[in-house]
Amino acid sequence: DTGVSQDPRHKITKRGQNVTFRCDPISEHNRLYWYRQTLGQGPEFLTYFQNEAQLEKSRLLSDRFSAERPKGSFSTLEIQRTEQGDSAMYLCASSLSTSDSYEQYFGPGTRLTVT
Amino acid sequence: GENVEQHPSTLSVQEGDSAVIKCTYSDSASNYFPWYKQELGKGPQLIIDIRSNVGEKKDQRIAVTLNKTAKHFSLHITETQPEDSAVYFCAASNRATGFQKLVFGTGTRLLVSP
Repeated sequence: DTGVSQDPRHKITKRGQNVTFRCDPISEHNRLYWYRQTLGQGPEFLTYFQNEAQLEKSRLLSDRFSAERPKGSFSTLEIQRTEQGDSAMYLCASSLSTSDSYEQYFGPGTRLTVT
Repeated sequence: GENVEQHPSTLSVQEGDSAVIKCTYSDSASNYFPWYKQELGKGPQLIIDIRSNVGEKKDQRIAVTLNKTAKHFSLHITETQPEDSAVYFCAASNRATGFQKLVFGTGTRLLVSP
């Protein structure tokens, strides 16, 4: 399968614990995005990387959230001291940065439940 | 910032009928408008997109139209099939800053009854 993959698919954690999610983009894609989706809503942008550089972060990304893409390939999203409001689907997408390519392709998501 | 509104929130049709979902956007600088289909427990799947220099685009049973003056765009599905049942999201983005941040609508749940 050459699509975007995410791991784990589901995560249940207790409030106050730290969690980390991983995203593997489509192999030749140099842009990687994180979005959050709550029930009944569309995805909301969190942050974006071009290669290993994190170029923009949404105000939704509080200081408890940190994302990395150390070698410009896979990315991790860590949430520290989780809160019940963090419960959501965390989606990763990737795209190819060219002047003629706009398409973002999403992975299956990681569903986080904070109890 | 950009705001995207989507209607209706739910749409029920009989198999074989057409379905139309409409979106409006607020930022006149938006220039890329993709549509995604999301099935239960899965990530959004890109089904069609349109750019600001085009008024209409078709791909088999699906088509998208764009009216830049009115700042709205629509998804048209003809000859609907039960497997078209899913949540559909429209989105908009502005490449002016050199990066693609998608702003999504709130989704339309389409139910196609056999």
